[in-house]
Amino acid sequence: AQSVTQLDSQVPVFEEAPVELRCNYSSSVSVYLFWYVQYPNQGLQLLLKYLSGSTLVKGINGFEAEFNKSQTSFHLRKPSVHISDTAEYFCAGSLADSGNTPLVFGKGTRLSVIA
Amino acid sequence: ETGVTQTPRHLVMGMTNKKSLKCEQHLGHNAMYWYKQSAKKPLELMFVYSLEERVENNSVPSRFSPECPNSSHLFLHLHTLQPEDSALYLCASSLRQGNTQYFGPGTRLTVL
Repeated sequence: AQSVTQLDSQVPVFEEAPVELRCNYSSSVSVYLFWYVQYPNQGLQLLLKYLSGSTLVKGINGFEAEFNKSQTSFHLRKPSVHISDTAEYFCAGSLADSGNTPLVFGKGTRLSVIA
Repeated sequence: ETGVTQTPRHLVMGMTNKKSLKCEQHLGHNAMYWYKQSAKKPLELMFVYSLEERVENNSVPSRFSPECPNSSHLFLHLHTLQPEDSALYLCASSLRQGNTQYFGPGTRLTVL
């Protein structure tokens, strides 16, 4: 992707409530899209990725994301969050069929789960 | 993912010191990356190596000097740093550029 935008810098949500973290990308060609999670004082961990095929992608820890080409979005969702989901979440993208460009990351969304 | 390791995990250095950060991956990847993550700032891509050749250098000051002696190891040599260089430095690798990146745990650097 040529750019990736995460619209929300912070998202507070109560425990067991659903959550959606928004991500939009801009690209005129096919893209690969990723969501990463970063817990405090740790590196980034891959949650899920979209390369091709089914637009609904399931990842670890009960998260899923839907690739929407018409809306150029790749929003991350979880139907019921836990306290342990409190972390920073990063959306990233790259140009498919390229292999010569690194990932472009969004600015991150801090998810705070409230007991 | 424990395929990418970084040492040290924490480093405190003075502005006149010289130190090096080390990254190692045994995933068979051909691309390696250095990122800087400062508080309240976006993730900044610093350097990209592909097949041991530097392919990207995003206007990083010369006080940061990367080295990639082979496809499994990546170093970041530091000298005469400034306090604003204090950050979490993350290493990542991927099979090739644009593919899924796997990150190390990072080195928390504090420059006094």
